[in-house]
Amino acid sequence: QVQLVQSGAEVKKPGASVKVSCKASGYTFIGYGITWVRQAPGQGLEYMGWISAHSANRGYAQRFQGRVMMTTDTTTSTAHMELRSLGSDDTAVYFCARVELRLYCPNGVCFPGADYWGQGTLVTVSS
Amino acid sequence: QSALTQPPSASGTPGQRVTIFCSGGTSNIGSNYVYWYQQLPGTAPKLLIYRHDQRSSGVADRFSGSKSGASASLAISGLRSEDEADYYCAAWDDSLNEWVFGGGTKLTVL
Repeated sequence: QVQLVQSGAEVKKPGASVKVSCKASGYTFIGYGITWVRQAPGQGLEYMGWISAHSANRGYAQRFQGRVMMTTDTTTSTAHMELRSLGSDDTAVYFCARVELRLYCPNGVCFPGADYWGQGTLVTVSS
Repeated sequence: QSALTQPPSASGTPGQRVTIFCSGGTSNIGSNYVYWYQQLPGTAPKLLIYRHDQRSSGVADRFSGSKSGASASLAISGLRSEDEADYYCAAWDDSLNEWVFGGGTKLTVL
């Protein structure tokens, strides 16, 4: 069965970076992409970006441009999301989810939605 | 402010039918598929409905989705206590070139 298992909770100081991992199993990793979504305490879901499994393509949400880096390792079927220059408002649960990428959308690559999700990783930013 | 608009709350009694609406625009719901997710407290979102009205594997047929123009809705019939959760709509936005969510609707079963 499809599973996405994320790394454990992190506590970081303001200004630091965090790297969250997402290990996929139960499907052919290179046949799909991964999206990252976060959820601040008591808030809704916020899209961060996507990456193709072979890392050839990626797209980041405007508000995270320049501060986020998404990568994959096809040898271990693992996706990574690194967020830099953390502030207190980055405290959130970070989710990875599987997506089926479409190459010929009006503005390039897109995806209709995500099906399987990781369990989430709590990142706490506190001095 | 979310690109898609949902009511912050909804409620119903056991056995009732509840409908949650999601309003968007021509660049998102109007031209792309709508997905619906259920999120129980402390857990990851779970896919309920994809491509406007297709139930995900294992999802009860009490859940149904529809789309009309730039709006979509999720209907839950035969409401049960275990349906108490947050529900989110989502769609790709061609103008923003991003995946956008509604703000979420907290469903309470009275």
